Amino acid sequence: SQQGEEDPQALSIQEGENATMNCSYKTSINNLQWYRQNSGRGLVHLILIRSNEREKHSGRLRVTLDTSKKSSSLLITASRAADTASYFCATGRPPQGAQKLVFGQGTRLTINP
Amino acid sequence: NAGVTQTPKFQVLKTGQSMTLQCAQDMNHNSMYWYRQDPGMGLRLIYYSASEGTTDKGEVPNGYNVSRLNKREFSLRLESAAPSQTSVYFCASSPSSGTLTYEQYFGPGTRLTVT
Repeated sequence: SQQGEEDPQALSIQEGENATMNCSYKTSINNLQWYRQNSGRGLVHLILIRSNEREKHSGRLRVTLDTSKKSSSLLITASRAADTASYFCATGRPPQGAQKLVFGQGTRLTINP
Repeated sequence: NAGVTQTPKFQVLKTGQSMTLQCAQDMNHNSMYWYRQDPGMGLRLIYYSASEGTTDKGEVPNGYNVSRLNKREFSLRLESAAPSQTSVYFCASSPSSGTLTYEQYFGPGTRLTVT
């Protein structure tokens, strides 16, 4: 069963705008990760945030985690055409959080030039 | 470093045929995983191996077997392919061990069609 649910399922914005994607989950986690998948390719890791962290940054990416609401958001600032991809959140649950991730169904992001 | 490699890239099978998907990583990672991805869906875990010599079932293990041949290689076998196994299969590896989690590194995928 899918643990994470991304929202929206699809998002289309103009180049230069910010894109925000959300992920909600149902059970306790010990970490949450975001991945990007370009069409027909494997997934690429973006950011890992642990349950005791509230926010992490990496370049133009900002991830927040609210464990009380069981939700996370991924913000991509100043979007570029190359950001067009599907974005997935994945959660690791105790006690085996180190070994298994459960992926959501993804948000398909389209950046229009 | 090649990272995670998978062979073959594409495969067409007839119902009832068997095949093995190969995966290898050169990053000295402890953990390895097999996922399947159906159209418009996220990834679902088939099997994983937390360390050499150990394997465990994931969310959708039925119809599959795995072998962790050594630390580098983790193969997925379909003994009797069914059309429901038509999917894209991804192998991944991670330095995760015990309760400490790290990111996963994915291979390019194998696109399998069962007719």
